[in-house]
Amino acid sequence: SQWGEENLQALSIQEGEDVTMNCSYKTYTTVVQWYRQKSGKGPAQLILIRSNEREKRSGRLRATLDTSSQSSSLSITGTLATDTAVYFCATLNYNQGKLIFGQGTKLSIKP
Amino acid sequence: EAAVTQSPRNKVAVTGGKVTLSCNQTNNHNNMYWYRQDTGHGLRLIHYSYGAGSTEKGDIPDGYKASRPSQENFSLILELATPSQTSVYFCASGMGGNTEVFFGKGTRLTVV
Repeated sequence: SQWGEENLQALSIQEGEDVTMNCSYKTYTTVVQWYRQKSGKGPAQLILIRSNEREKRSGRLRATLDTSSQSSSLSITGTLATDTAVYFCATLNYNQGKLIFGQGTKLSIKP
Repeated sequence: EAAVTQSPRNKVAVTGGKVTLSCNQTNNHNNMYWYRQDTGHGLRLIHYSYGAGSTEKGDIPDGYKASRPSQENFSLILELATPSQTSVYFCASGMGGNTEVFFGKGTRLTVV
């Protein structure tokens, strides 16, 4: 598998708190993508960070990528109840064109 | 907003029967993907395609075939459906390279 031994994690926090989700990968990748999947829906991309970038921001979201440790993180500041979802990271190998997903984190935001 | 349309949205099939799941995109995307997602788990790649006429094996291709007859359409075929293939199936498309991938709404398949 491309991903480390990452089972579906569950996090539950209060609205307004900040949260960081982590994932690690095993093999070469040119980009890490973070997705959000709400109940009963397909995944939707939140942020994409390329291998030559260390950090990427989009609104309340911040993604980091450390290619030396083959790890990435997604932080959400000032969480809202609407951030409740499952969050996945995925790696894309440019040459192979394969988009491979990690197991994900189920985030619950309590109002 | 790029659109990916899957049909049917729900399907009940009998064990040993043939099932075809269809996916259509009008975004002129080169790459298309089929994933399955089991309850409480992530998405696992079954097959993908670089363009019309091409299909490639993903991480879990056994028991599945794929067909890409045109740029717009990508089908997933279960020749002999088994209960272990009960799952939610997602189709996705993207331009390739380091670009965004768009997902359909999913097909819930139940094999009885």
